[in-house]
Amino acid sequence: QLQLQESGPGLVKPSETLSLTCTVSDGSISSSSYFWGWIRQPPGKGLEWVGSIYYSGSTYYNPSLKSRVTISVDTSKNQFSLKLSSVTAADTAVYYCARLVRDTVTTRLPDYWGQGTLVTVSS
Amino acid sequence: SSELTQDPAVSVALGQTVRITCQGDGLRIYYASWYQQKPGQAPVLVIYDRNNRPSGIPDRFSGSNSGNTASLTITGTQAEDEADYYCYSRDSSGNRWVFGGGTKLTVL
Repeated sequence: QLQLQESGPGLVKPSETLSLTCTVSDGSISSSSYFWGWIRQPPGKGLEWVGSIYYSGSTYYNPSLKSRVTISVDTSKNQFSLKLSSVTAADTAVYYCARLVRDTVTTRLPDYWGQGTLVTVSS
Repeated sequence: SSELTQDPAVSVALGQTVRITCQGDGLRIYYASWYQQKPGQAPVLVIYDRNNRPSGIPDRFSGSNSGNTASLTITGTQAEDEADYYCYSRDSSGNRWVFGGGTKLTVL
């Protein structure tokens, strides 16, 4: 069964860059049927779509975060990564990586999720 | 603010039927999908593309769409259905993917 695992620092200082990696197991990140994405959830709040990437490197970002977000893919390692620059306390959240199904109405439907990792922005 | 609007909280008696709604202009064009999230856990997909259930999801979960409103119905609600529920779709431009603000379901 497909597994996704987030990794990266749990604490980031304000104005610095948040960096996370998602490792995909028991499935290929190079499948043409899927995108791969990041979704975050501030403590006690709702879900926010951050962005997605295709194995070819094509990306789409949430317009509200676009100026600060970079998502990249490393097919040789079956991983994709998130960088969020100039972070503030408002970026404190649980960050989930997810597989996004292409062949649906939304064209990016999260069906498998990682367990999530809490990133706290604080000095 | 979310472009998909949900009631913050809904309650239902054990064994009864409950409907959770989601409103947004994009729903006139795109079907909604629904996620269940229990405390400390990742969301789980329960309904996709209006009324399709992934493998393993009980058939007491169903979805529907009318105009700008999508609905998730749980028939014969069980105690384990107590959770937060989020709708998910595209906005009316088709260029953004958005979640609703979430509905906390309490089973009495």
